[in-house]
Amino acid sequence: EIVLTQSPGTLSLSPGERATLSCRASQTVSSSYLAWYQQKPGQAPRLLIYGASSRATGIPDRFSGSGSGTDFTLTISRLEPEDFAVYYCQQYGSSPLTFGGGTKVEIK
Amino acid sequence: QVQLVQSGAEVKKPGASVKVSCKASGYTFITYGISWMRQAPGQGLEWMGWISAYNGNTNYAQKLQGRVTMTTDTSTSTAYLELRSLRSDDTAVYYCARAPWTSIVGATFDYWGQGTLVTVSS
Repeated sequence: EIVLTQSPGTLSLSPGERATLSCRASQTVSSSYLAWYQQKPGQAPRLLIYGASSRATGIPDRFSGSGSGTDFTLTISRLEPEDFAVYYCQQYGSSPLTFGGGTKVEIK
Repeated sequence: QVQLVQSGAEVKKPGASVKVSCKASGYTFITYGISWMRQAPGQGLEWMGWISAYNGNTNYAQKLQGRVTMTTDTSTSTAYLELRSLRSDDTAVYYCARAPWTSIVGATFDYWGQGTLVTVSS
């Protein structure tokens, strides 16, 4: 099973600032099958990024993903008020699918 | 528009079973699969398994093997999750999500249900 470790656990930033979130895998993620989701309280997760760097439909271009192998990054170039949420990475290159523990982006 | 609508909240006693439904609309049900995830209070997401609506193939998380069954009813475009021998640590919000019909490998989840809270308490 591929274990995904996200860091930091919490990121305290102000609107307009840049957010950089990390996701490290215990083994190589096959075919860069790494996705990022955003979750707000009381809501289901929303797909942001798939294939490590492709934005899902309707996702603003301030969200970008990068990385390969075992190290992946989600960057939010300029935080908008609606971006404060929890973010999860997920690998889907091998079964069982696994999620990281999440990074909470909170308002400073 | 694609929608996945789940059944309502459940309260169960330890040792009981629960069956959660997920009704799909806005797409051709048998051309996709359904995956189930859960999220314990204040915790992260856990993948539980997948079923192909096309051919009924399943892939369950090993830790749930023997306690979980996923089924579909193609006549009503509904997927079901049954979890047996419930324990207090099964208390969670359970989500269904649309997945490919072929395999869970390569699957991202673009559409999710609203979630169903299952509480296990004596």
